[in-house]
Amino acid sequence: GEDVEQSLFLSVREGDSSVINCTYTDSSSTYLYWYKQEPGAGLQLLTYIFSNMDMKQDQRLTVLLNKKDKHLSLRIADTQTGDSAIYFCAESSGTYKYIFGTGTRLKVLA
Amino acid sequence: DTEVTQTPKHLVMGMTNKKSLKCEQHMGHRAMYWYKQKAKKPPELMFVYSYEKLSINESVPSRFSPECPNSSLLNLHLHALQPEDSALYLCASSQRDREGDGYTFGSGTRLTVV
Repeated sequence: GEDVEQSLFLSVREGDSSVINCTYTDSSSTYLYWYKQEPGAGLQLLTYIFSNMDMKQDQRLTVLLNKKDKHLSLRIADTQTGDSAIYFCAESSGTYKYIFGTGTRLKVLA
Repeated sequence: DTEVTQTPKHLVMGMTNKKSLKCEQHMGHRAMYWYKQKAKKPPELMFVYSYEKLSINESVPSRFSPECPNSSLLNLHLHALQPEDSALYLCASSQRDREGDGYTFGSGTRLTVV
C-alpha cells in the first residue's frame, strides 16, 4: 500500500527545536516534500528533498532522508509561535499524484 | 503573480442547489488539481488537469464536475451534493516539468452542504 505515516501531535517550547517525522512506503518516490497548513488556509510548500540526497538545509529548516528505512524528518530550529500549524509530508514518484502523510499538529508554547 | 486564487472563500448550499467553485493562476503552470480536505485529515486528490485535459479522476461521484476552460482557470461544478460533501476544497497548480517546485495551493473554499 501507499501509506505515509506521521505522529499526530507535537508540542515544543518557543526557542527549542522541533523534529517532525514521516515514514513512507513507496521506494520509487523521487521527491519528498514538507508542507505547512495554518488554520483555515491552504497548504504552503516549505521545502523538498530529492531522493538521492541525505540532507537539505534551508535557513531554520533541515530535512533528513533515510532511504533505507524510508524515513523523512523535518527539523525546525528556534521554533516560534508562528510555526504552530499542521505539517504534512508528501511523496511523489514522478506522476501528478502526491501521497500526503497523515499530518502532524505542531503547537509552540510561549 | 505567484498565487492560486480561489473563489468563493465560503459557500453554503442546499442539497438541490447548483454552484461552482473557481480557481485561477497566472504562473503559467500547466497542471491544475482539485483536492478535498476533511477536518484534521490530509488532502485527498479528486481531479488532475494536464494541459487543459482531464488526466486523473479519482473515482469522484458525478455530482462533482470539473472544467478547465483555459490554462489559467479551473472550475468545479457542484450539483445535488450531500451533507458529507462538506469540506475544504483546495485547488493547486504545478509546473509539470519542474517537479521539485511542488504544488502551489490556493486558500480553499470552505463548503457546507445543508
